[in-house]
Amino acid sequence: EAAVTQSPRNKVTVTGGNVTLSCRQTNSHNYMYWYRQDTGHGLRLIHYSYGAGNLQIGDVPDGYKATRTTQEDFFLLLELASPSQTSLYFCASSEGWGLNYAEQFFGPGTRLTVL
Amino acid sequence: GDSVTQKEGLVTLTEGLPVMLNCTYQTIYSNAFLFWYVHYLNESPRLLLKSSTDNKRTEHQGFHATLHKSSSSFHLQKSSAQLSDSALYYCALSGRGNYQLIWGSGTKLIIKP
Repeated sequence: EAAVTQSPRNKVTVTGGNVTLSCRQTNSHNYMYWYRQDTGHGLRLIHYSYGAGNLQIGDVPDGYKATRTTQEDFFLLLELASPSQTSLYFCASSEGWGLNYAEQFFGPGTRLTVL
Repeated sequence: GDSVTQKEGLVTLTEGLPVMLNCTYQTIYSNAFLFWYVHYLNESPRLLLKSSTDNKRTEHQGFHATLHKSSSSFHLQKSSAQLSDSALYYCALSGRGNYQLIWGSGTKLIIKP
């Protein structure tokens, strides 16, 4: 059974729309991450968290909010979606830091289109 | 700050030829770890292999890489490319100790018959 799941898998919204992307992990990992993937830019970190109630700002946070409600659940919120946020979004989890703990496990991705 | 450079955005090779994808990095941490992730179309990115000690080769699924701290490099190699190797490859650095991975921009590898 998949250890990191995301929903929805595809989402189309309009400019100014409100979108919530969901991620759940069953790895019992402390760390969770939200990335966006765009051609020519690779994976870019939006927000991450090291536990319920914690939130850390990533490299491209503008226009995004996130919330970690439990160890398992991490949400990404786009309150006023813009076409520039059209992208493939990945959630990931990891145990911690160090060679044997820093491996990140990814969900299947959510393709978001903002018209 | 920490950074990872993958110079080639796209590499196109003929099946059977050797593969080498370049990865260089910058970090102030002497104990940095490097990873290669592979992302096949319509799948999730997943770990391909991770570094070991300085100058030691690590191998997985026919690919290998050696961490060279003297040149800050962790190039990915394979002796003979297969059609199924076509994918996006990311090099990533764990160096800050703050639980992020620093990602390169990725190299798209296309293997042609």
